[in-house]
Amino acid sequence: EDQVTQSPEALRLQEGESSSLNCSYTVSGLRGLFWYRQDPGKGPEFLFTLYSAGEEKEKERLKATLTKKESFLHITAPKPEDSATYLCAVQARGSSASKIIFGSGTRLSIRP
Amino acid sequence: NAGVTQTPKFRVLKTGQSMTLLCAQDMNHEYMYWYRQDPGMGLRLIHYSVGEGTTAKGEVPDGYNVSRLKKQNFLLGLESAAPSQTSVYFCASTPSWGNEQFFGPGTRLTVL
Repeated sequence: EDQVTQSPEALRLQEGESSSLNCSYTVSGLRGLFWYRQDPGKGPEFLFTLYSAGEEKEKERLKATLTKKESFLHITAPKPEDSATYLCAVQARGSSASKIIFGSGTRLSIRP
Repeated sequence: NAGVTQTPKFRVLKTGQSMTLLCAQDMNHEYMYWYRQDPGMGLRLIHYSVGEGTTAKGEVPDGYNVSRLKKQNFLLGLESAAPSQTSVYFCASTPSWGNEQFFGPGTRLTVL
């Protein structure tokens, strides 16, 4: 069964304290893995797409990496404005448009 | 360019009442989706559409109906609301299968 698990559920960091969020997945052939950011009371906002193991993408203080079983979202020297819920989603190769599976997210809180 | 908009933003219904949620996108996207988001469960797909005049069931379609009469609009209907349908509803669109999704701001629905 296709599955996406994110950990930890919640993470509190001090400003400047780097860390990583994990997204573990089980799908029958990965077509793409997506990271989104969601602020309270708003819709998810796209961050990255990763397609194959070994691929990395960066945007400001965020870097996403991908292996055959999991993806990490690394946050370097975070600022309070990075506080949000980060969602991971996977799409299986050969699947229909309905087979987009979201994880339950990691709530990140950065203290000044 | 407004992106994806949703109407209404908030709604309170009594059990058994009906309502329609409207999603509109101005990006000429082919694919549109309706999700519900509940605490600790991530985003779950209700229905989706791969083009004007087409709709299909997602993971949790029971109790909902949809229509896509115009390419830019995707309507979600609740014929007889139940307390279990209390949730935050998000609409999303994408130009084609496999691309990142663009989300609306959400509709917070409470069914008493």
